[in-house]
Amino acid sequence: DGGITQSPKYLFRKEGQNVTLSCEQNLNHDAMYWYRQDPGQGLRLIYYSQIVNDFQKGDIAEGYSVSREKKESFPLTVTSAQKNPTAFYLCASSIAAGTEQYFGPGTRLTVT
Amino acid sequence: GENVEQHPSTLSVQEGDSAVIKCTYSDSASNYFPWYKQELGKRPQLIIDIRSNVGEKKDQRIAVTLNKTAKHFSLHITETQPEDSAVYFCAASKGTYKYIFGTGTRLKVLA
Repeated sequence: DGGITQSPKYLFRKEGQNVTLSCEQNLNHDAMYWYRQDPGQGLRLIYYSQIVNDFQKGDIAEGYSVSREKKESFPLTVTSAQKNPTAFYLCASSIAAGTEQYFGPGTRLTVT
Repeated sequence: GENVEQHPSTLSVQEGDSAVIKCTYSDSASNYFPWYKQELGKRPQLIIDIRSNVGEKKDQRIAVTLNKTAKHFSLHITETQPEDSAVYFCAASKGTYKYIFGTGTRLKVLA
């Protein structure tokens, strides 16, 4: 499975706390993505980054933040402003636009 | 806005039968259509994709067809096996970084 990794696999937090999810890839891909997956709703795009030091909001960016300081890394912070943060979070990468996206194994976040 | 509708949401077939999943997209500028398979608790993985300059693509037991006029594309799995049981997602892209995913189809292959 290598190539793109996410940690941790499971994450538990109390309401009101910020939490950062890790995503690393060694595929030398320029583009990286964060998706949220909820039951029955498919994958929804939170943020994406085309290149280092650049990122764009996706469809559901409110309450989330990202950084892209290195090509290999694209961490996602779920802030206390996110109203319903409990979900399965998937990171992905691709060589370029309109090409196959490779997914990480995901992080299941539970906020109580 | 851009939208991809996927049907059915669940599909049960007998082992050896065929399965068909259909997606309809709204943006006529879409030109790349991947299909992903996600087994329980695992990451989505690309199983087949098609670009708008092609009407059909096959890979062993899996095929995808595209009808640009009607703006729909379908996944066909023949001779289904128990290991085909998973959730399948379609997606559409205009060649940009944004993919619009369907809501998924849970396929159960009954032995």
